[in-house]
Order: sequence, then C-alpha cells, then structure tokens
Amino acid sequence: GAVVSQHPSRVICKSGTSVKIECRSLDFQATTMFWYRQFPKQSLMLMATSNEGSKATYEQGVEKDKFLINHASLTLSTLTVTSAHPEDSSFYICSSLAGGYEQYFGPGTRLTVT
Amino acid sequence: GENVEQHPSTLSVQEGDSAVIKCTYSDSASNYFPWYKQELGKRPQLIIDIRSNVGEKKDQRIAVTLNKTAKHFSLHITETQPEDSAVYFCAADTGFGNEKLTFGTGTRLTIIP
Repeated sequence: GAVVSQHPSRVICKSGTSVKIECRSLDFQATTMFWYRQFPKQSLMLMATSNEGSKATYEQGVEKDKFLINHASLTLSTLTVTSAHPEDSSFYICSSLAGGYEQYFGPGTRLTVT
Repeated sequence: GENVEQHPSTLSVQEGDSAVIKCTYSDSASNYFPWYKQELGKRPQLIIDIRSNVGEKKDQRIAVTLNKTAKHFSLHITETQPEDSAVYFCAADTGFGNEKLTFGTGTRLTIIP
C-alpha cells in the first residue's frame, strides 16, 4: 500500500514558539492531504484539507492563522502550529489519498507544549 | 455536516467470542464507510471498508454490514484473539465526491484471555 511519513514523530516546545510538522507521501503523488488532531482517548478530528498548489480548507472552529498549512508539492504538506500553547498539545496525524477512497495515514506527531 | 455516532464506547469479550460495534450516520449522501483499528500511540489502520452499493463485506474474521435505509453500519469480529484488543473507529465520508471523513467516537475493545 501507499506509504506516508511524518516528521518529527515527537516534539516538545516552549509556549509561544512555533513548530512545523512535515507529511510526505513516499511512493505516490498526493493531490489531497488531510490533517487531523487527536487528543488523548478521543477520536480523530479533521482540521483541514490541503490541496497541492492552493489554499487549505479549514474545518469550522480551526484557526487558519494559528495552524498554517502549506502543500507546495505533490509529495509534501506541512502544518505549522504558530505561537503554540499547552492546549495545543496533541497527536497530529496527516493522511493522503492515492486515487480512490482509501486514506493512508502517517505515523503521527506527538506535540507537547510546555 | 455529517455526524457519526458509535457504540459501545468500551467492549470486553472473552477470547474466541464475537464482538460487534455499531455506528450510525446522518448524511444520506455518504457512500464510503471504513473501519480503523488504532493501537496506543500508533496510526489508524484500515481493517475493512464498504461502499454503499454493497450490503455486506467479509474478510476472514472481520465483516461489515451496511443498512443505507436506516443509516447504520456495523463491524463484526468473530473468533476474537488477544491481538484484536485496540480502539476501533468507524468513519463515513461526506458524499458528493468529497473524500473527507467524519470519525465515530471510538470503541475500546478488550479481549479477555
């Protein structure tokens, strides 16, 4: 199946700083990538849909100026959490489509903001 | 938008018995319903999915049934094994060619040896 990687797998940052998370499709081109956030013992919540070469579409309640998404190529999408605060601590997971309905998930990034 | 409800939130079954998890959805335009297994700290893994032109699909010990009229779908795991212990999520797409998924709240399945 299609392989999606994420980097870093874990990151700890101080409150007020920014963190960038990368999501790569390794063996296919992904015109669409999705970014999810998952708090402990909760479900995956879609944050935004990222389309190559265009602006991301954010879900209701997700601040686009705080969670910057860039999808500059068919294999790379980035999520930047700006001015991170402890409440942004979460498990961030990307996924992408490889033609068809199935979404391929990255391994996730655990962000801890101190 | 789509709303997906999932029950039960926790489920314990004796090894070898069957487990059933149920989900309902609200958007009649949805036509893709995947099920994911997620172990602690790991990515969700697709275990089975079903499209709306099919009522039932089976893959070894795992089966999914779909009732579009009632807008509900269920996951059935037979002959459960300890390695089936995990959190399971159902999901539904938003229809009209939109590949966005809305996830259920999850079911923590524990298989008792």
